[in-house]
Amino acid sequence: SQKIEQNSEALNIQEGKTATLTCNYTNYSPAYLQWYRQDPGRGPVFLLLIRENEKEKRKERLKVTFDTTLKQSLFHITASQPADSATYLCARPGSNYQLIWGAGTKLIIKP
Amino acid sequence: GAVVSQHPSWVICKSGTSVKIECRSLDFQATTMFWYRQFPKQSLMLMATSNEGSKATYEQGVEKDKFLINHASLTLSTLTVTSAHPEDSSFYICSTHPGNSPLHFGNGTRLTVT
Repeated sequence: SQKIEQNSEALNIQEGKTATLTCNYTNYSPAYLQWYRQDPGRGPVFLLLIRENEKEKRKERLKVTFDTTLKQSLFHITASQPADSATYLCARPGSNYQLIWGAGTKLIIKP
Repeated sequence: GAVVSQHPSWVICKSGTSVKIECRSLDFQATTMFWYRQFPKQSLMLMATSNEGSKATYEQGVEKDKFLINHASLTLSTLTVTSAHPEDSSFYICSTHPGNSPLHFGNGTRLTVT
């Protein structure tokens, strides 16, 4: 079955450093992966989409990679700030085109 | 950007009562609305997909008679939790995708059933 696995443990990063979050998927490679940010008590907000034929995608301080060999996507935040603290969700399309979601990784940026 | 307005943001109700959650698309027409439920530290779980003017499609294991979905217009979809029980306490979120864009989510409703 298709699954999305994200590290359930919170990631603590010092302000200014690069935070790297991991998303592993099972089964066949999806046509794309999406990353969302979710703050406590709020709905997720879309950040980036990376397609299967794209190795890397950037948006300001954010960078996402897609490795079909490792079946993995990495999400990087450079020059991290306390305001980047949130839970980050990874999602892939399933066989019925609905999104399959990871449980998210909580990122804590310490000043 | 596209805005999805969800109300209420939180609600506390007694066991056996019903609760209605509304999601409105403010600046676009939402042909399709997805309803999710999220338990603490768990994935978003799709409950149902509603299309304007037609019956909702429910995911396996979701009781359609308990979670009533109405999508009577292109700007409003509602989820009614009927005869709520404590195990229905959760975070309910609606979402849609304007055009071919990624999902836009409401801000969620925290339901607590006592």
